[in-house]
Amino acid sequence: NAGVTQTPKFRILKIGQSMTLQCTQDMNHNYMYWYRQDPGMGLKLIYYSVGAGITDKGEVPNGYNVSRSTTEDFPLRLELAAPSQTSVYFCASSYGASLDYEQYFGPGTRLTVT
Amino acid sequence: QKEVEQDPGPLSVPEGAIVSLNCTYSNSAFQYFMWYRQYSRKGPELLMYTYSSGNKEDGRFTAQVDKSSKYISLFIRDSQPSDSATYLCAMSPTGANSKLTFGKGITLSVRP
Repeated sequence: NAGVTQTPKFRILKIGQSMTLQCTQDMNHNYMYWYRQDPGMGLKLIYYSVGAGITDKGEVPNGYNVSRSTTEDFPLRLELAAPSQTSVYFCASSYGASLDYEQYFGPGTRLTVT
Repeated sequence: QKEVEQDPGPLSVPEGAIVSLNCTYSNSAFQYFMWYRQYSRKGPELLMYTYSSGNKEDGRFTAQVDKSSKYISLFIRDSQPSDSATYLCAMSPTGANSKLTFGKGITLSVRP
């Protein structure tokens, strides 16, 4: 199993550009999550999904969109990138909703918006 | 006041030392407490997970929760260079993965 994979590893965007961060898991997990981690700050939840076709907002959803058309994939879309979106983005997945089911994190995408 | 405060660090200790990492919190609704380890340029991985007050031990690691003081700790015994990483505490009022509040993390370096 590859676990949770994310692409790209690094990206530099200009202000106003758009991009999609890709996330794929091969563990047949129902739940998937997107977090951002700003320097010197804790992780904050952007969006999460409880299954294909179902998504919900986390703590910091503004400026982002998600979709979940398959169990494996959970892409994160940035529209009109802003410097405030410079961060490290982590995708995670878990088999179930509760903390009894560990979240497995991907290696992250480092995004800089200039 | 932030909901979760973590010692700023960084922390550097010699190999074999006992390490104490701490977090305080203000939200009395938090019932679930976690510690994650994050190696450089990697995603976090769950180390320990406890519910309510008390201690939990797993090998060289012990997690301690004092809800009356709103204080949690992670102790690492016989620290090894491989323990060098950033340690994040996280808390939740419910048992849901989607309701975690993370501390900002403390970077630990264990010198050989």
